[in-house]
Amino acid sequence: DVKVTQSSRYLVKRTGEKVFLECVQDMDHENMFWYRQDPGLGLRLIYFSYDVKMKEKGDIPEGYSVSREKKERFSLILESASTNQTSMYLCASSPTRSNQPQHFGDGTRLSIL
Amino acid sequence: RKEVEQDPGPFNVPEGATVAFNCTYSNSASQSFFWYRQDCRKEPKLLMSVYSSGNEDGRFTAQLNRASQYISLLIRDSKLSDSATYLCVVRAAGNKLTFGGGTRVLVKP
Repeated sequence: DVKVTQSSRYLVKRTGEKVFLECVQDMDHENMFWYRQDPGLGLRLIYFSYDVKMKEKGDIPEGYSVSREKKERFSLILESASTNQTSMYLCASSPTRSNQPQHFGDGTRLSIL
Repeated sequence: RKEVEQDPGPFNVPEGATVAFNCTYSNSASQSFFWYRQDCRKEPKLLMSVYSSGNEDGRFTAQLNRASQYISLLIRDSKLSDSATYLCVVRAAGNKLTFGGGTRVLVKP
């Protein structure tokens, strides 16, 4: 079974803090993704990566950056957290073959106070 | 128009009944289709892929209609444990997925 592990289930931070969300997958997948999920808005793609040191903007990248220094790890960074970044953050991974589904981590519920 | 649209529900289903719902997609070049299940405050989990000829997995049947650009999910003999939000997921070119907003199903005794 694919295992995607996110570093925290719940996180509380303050406005202006730099926040790191970590995601690790154990299936040697090339592709990794960061989403946020908000009521009424569904899942929205923030950033994704097809390979080490490679990143691409998703649909809502503003206020975020990412890092992929190793294949198994994809980090999401909130440069200066704001209250509108309070959300559920979901990491996912998938192999390169395009007909394969993505597998999700448990999610991190982030609150910015 | 949203790329992937679903009726948000909720669909209130008596235990043992059959429920079906659709998902429409706007990009005719979409190549892969999936149904995910998401329980409250949990991550989405893959329920099943949707193949061109339609496919079945136990009590779940998925179908694809490319001409009308929709996929469907049918649940037979509903169980209380089927209560969840069902997410329609579509992939066009590349590896990006587009998620529908989800259809909430509540199975009641």
